[in-house]
Amino acid sequence: GESVGLHLPTLSVQEGDNSIINCAYSNSASDYFIWYKQESGKGPQFIIDIRSNMDKRQGQRVTVLLNKTVKHLSLQIAATQPGDSAVYFCAENIPPGNQFYFGTGTSLTVIP
Amino acid sequence: KAGVTQTPRYLIKTRGQQVTLSCSPISGHRSVSWYQQTPGQGLQFLFEYFSETQRNKGNFPGRFSGRQFSNSRSEMNVSTLELGDSALYLCASSLGQGGAEAFFGQGTRLTVV
Repeated sequence: GESVGLHLPTLSVQEGDNSIINCAYSNSASDYFIWYKQESGKGPQFIIDIRSNMDKRQGQRVTVLLNKTVKHLSLQIAATQPGDSAVYFCAENIPPGNQFYFGTGTSLTVIP
Repeated sequence: KAGVTQTPRYLIKTRGQQVTLSCSPISGHRSVSWYQQTPGQGLQFLFEYFSETQRNKGNFPGRFSGRQFSNSRSEMNVSTLELGDSALYLCASSLGQGGAEAFFGQGTRLTVV
């Protein structure tokens, strides 16, 4: 029979614009979060992380915001470049241990 | 510093067979986790090993098993393969304590025919 894949949210942005990718997580016990970037044929690549005692963390061109009240995470990419085109996943860690639970992902396309 | 290495990169197996996948974590990392990625289910946690012991397990049947060696290298095994086991199997490496940065390998693409 026909296999049904996950419906991946998509985001298209112009090169040079800022991108915002959102993620809702499910467990209020989650205390550590990572954003990953996955390009076709590759494993997920660590971008940035944040712990639950923070609400914002900045990296190079990326910022992660955490709103624990509504269990929401966002990834902001400044001056988006064609090389940023990929699928982005948020992952939550529920202690103890290092297991992560992933969202469905968002497909980002950067238009040159 | 070498990253996470998974072997083989690609594998084709027949239904009913069994398969073993290997993962070498980043040097000094003691936690290895395994994930299955499919178009239908996304990225799903299989199990985590730390210091040769399974620390956490996801919701997969007993056909999926793993182990970790004293050098932190890990293997996962799938017995009695089904068509639905076709997936990208990913290994993630972490230092060891809970809530640590997890770095992924390139994965092993398993196709069951």
